Amino acid sequence: AQKVTQAQTEISVVEKEDVTLDCVYETRDTTYYLFWYKQPPSGELVFLIRRNSFDEQNEISGRYSWNFQKSTSSFNFTITASQVVDSAVYFCALSEALENTGFQKLVFGTGTRLLVSP
Amino acid sequence: DTGVSQDPRHKITKRGQNVTFRCDPISEHNRLYWYRQTLGQGPEFLTYFQNEAQLEKSRLLSDRFSAERPKGSFSTLEIQRTEQGDSAMYLCASSLDPGRVTEAFFGQGTRLTVV
Repeated sequence: AQKVTQAQTEISVVEKEDVTLDCVYETRDTTYYLFWYKQPPSGELVFLIRRNSFDEQNEISGRYSWNFQKSTSSFNFTITASQVVDSAVYFCALSEALENTGFQKLVFGTGTRLLVSP
Repeated sequence: DTGVSQDPRHKITKRGQNVTFRCDPISEHNRLYWYRQTLGQGPEFLTYFQNEAQLEKSRLLSDRFSAERPKGSFSTLEIQRTEQGDSAMYLCASSLDPGRVTEAFFGQGTRLTVV
């Protein structure tokens, strides 16, 4: 069965520190997608990134970067120079790519709460 | 605002009552999902619609739960004879169907408290 593990329950940093959120996944599928979502206190899940299993290139978007390593089944997320507005719960998720039906069920980890203090 | 909207945002109900939640997806999205999130956990999949057809249902969706998406537009999730264990955040999401897996966009959720 698919599984996503986010071992860090809560991380506290001071503004401007770099922080890495870990994500380890399990799947028997050769084709799959990985996602990161941010959930601020308002409750809405905000999409951050989608990565398919065939693309192992790391990605950078502003202060955000993602490190996908298939060999260790990890998809870690780094925030550089953290800001108070980054405080939220971050979820890593895995989906099957059922292209014939278009159905994707996201399997989420338990999330990592990031607290950035001034 | 053209995002996914859910109504109500909060609902408190007595055990045994029926409740209904509404989700309005992003207008051009033909895929719609319902997830449930309990405190300290990640969202768990409940059900999926492709247009008006309900194509997938989780085992979490007991016979007290029913979801509809008439005409492939908005969706409703009804819980009959609510139990305290139904207390959770119910999240709706939608996505496009361009022939490949795409990201799902979530609403702000409906927080249900059963007392």
